[in-house]
Amino acid sequence: ETGVTQTPRHLVMGMTNKKSLKCEQHLGHNAMYWYKQSAKKPLELMFVYNFKEQTENNSVPSRFSPECPNSSHLFLHLHTLQPEDSALYLCASSQESGRKETQYFGPGTRLLVL
Amino acid sequence: EDQVTQSPEALRLQEGESSSLNCSYTVSGLRGLFWYRQDPGKGPEFLFTLYSAGEEKEKERLKATLTKKESFLHITAPKPEDSATYLCAVQGGTGNQFYFGTGTSLTVIP
Repeated sequence: ETGVTQTPRHLVMGMTNKKSLKCEQHLGHNAMYWYKQSAKKPLELMFVYNFKEQTENNSVPSRFSPECPNSSHLFLHLHTLQPEDSALYLCASSQESGRKETQYFGPGTRLLVL
Repeated sequence: EDQVTQSPEALRLQEGESSSLNCSYTVSGLRGLFWYRQDPGKGPEFLFTLYSAGEEKEKERLKATLTKKESFLHITAPKPEDSATYLCAVQGGTGNQFYFGTGTSLTVIP
């Protein structure tokens, strides 16, 4: 596979469930990102991993927990979500070398929280 | 406040009717401006990167231009397959972050 892949593509979960979103990039990049996309709103950056170091985003609730085991894989662990967390979750990657470069996105996971 | 604003929010064109989409920004210290195309239910697809005022990039029926305050995405003789949401993002500001606009939803009618 090429580019950035995400699984699952669709997810329905209850507020008490625990699930994980997976992202894999095949571009040899060294930075990965999680974004939340809601209708009529700009993309919201949730987490950044650059050289495996996480940049914290204090506005993201603790019910979202990222994990980056290596430069090609990124996870978003979900637990006790709320209905307002329903959105399209996008993963992106880029090659950073002193400055941030173009980000390439995966197809997204459409999440519905009931 | 660092911000990116896109207009119009939605645009309907007849096939072959050329037009332009606008992306204005107040982000300081521009490092790059990015255009993406997003189809329903899919992730954004990269189109162009512009780095300095006066720069232009072209791809098929699309042409992106950049000034110190805004960028235009010109669509010449659009086809129905050009229907999508076009997103603009600006890199800059404190921490060299990415700021996204809310997008322009383009519909091209046959």
